[in-house]
Amino acid sequence: KQEVTQIPAALSVPEGENLVLNCSFTDSAIYNLQWFRQDPGKGLTSLLLIQSSQREQTSGRLNASLDKSSGRSTLYIAASQPGDSATYLCAARTGTASKLTFGTGTRLQVTL
Amino acid sequence: EPEVTQTPSHQVTQMGQEVILRCVPISNHLYFYWYRQILGQKVEFLVSFYNNEISEKSEIFDDQFSVERPDGSNFTLKIRSTKLEDSAMYFCASSGGRTLGEQYFGPGTRLTVT
Repeated sequence: KQEVTQIPAALSVPEGENLVLNCSFTDSAIYNLQWFRQDPGKGLTSLLLIQSSQREQTSGRLNASLDKSSGRSTLYIAASQPGDSATYLCAARTGTASKLTFGTGTRLQVTL
Repeated sequence: EPEVTQTPSHQVTQMGQEVILRCVPISNHLYFYWYRQILGQKVEFLVSFYNNEISEKSEIFDDQFSVERPDGSNFTLKIRSTKLEDSAMYFCASSGGRTLGEQYFGPGTRLTVT
C-alpha cells in the first residue's frame, strides 16, 4: 500500500528566498507524481505532473524532481513571493491504479 | 481555460438525509473521480469512473455511496443516508484521454452533516 509523507508540515521563509519542499513515497512503482497547491478552504490547483520516466519538470519558478529509487520527490520554488503562501500537496499514482495517494501537505508562509 | 465546476459550494444536511453532489468535468475528459478531505486530514480517494462504470473504488466507498453520469456533462456523487462522519470537503476531478494523466480538481463542495 502506497504511503506518501511530506516534511516539514509547515515552513516560513522571507520573501525572495529559494526553498525546497519534500515528498517521500514508500512504493517505488509509481506511474507519476503530481504537485498541487491548496489555498485555505479552496480546491486543489495542479502545479506540475512528473512522469515516472522523467527526472525533472519545470514550470516558471517551480521545478519538481523525482527519484524513484530513493522514493523521493522535491518541489523547488525560486525567488519566493507572498502570493506563494499556501499548502503544497504531493500525490502519487501507483502502478496501473487510477487513484492518487496524497501526502498531508506542507503549509508554506512567505513573509514580507 | 477549461475547469471542473462543482455545485453546491456548501451543503448542510441532517443526519440520515440523502445528498447529491454535482460536478461538471472538463468537456473532453473521459475519466472522473471523487475525493474527500475531512478537516485537517489528507485528501482521500473515493472512486474513479470511466465509460459509464466504476473503474476503482476505495474501502470508504461503501453501499451508501453511488456515482452517476446522468447526461453528457454532469457527474454526481450520491450519499444515501448521511452520517456525521461524512462531513468533509468533497472534490471532483477529471483527466483526459489517458487513464494515468494529469487530474484536474474542482473547487469542492463542503458537506456539513448535523
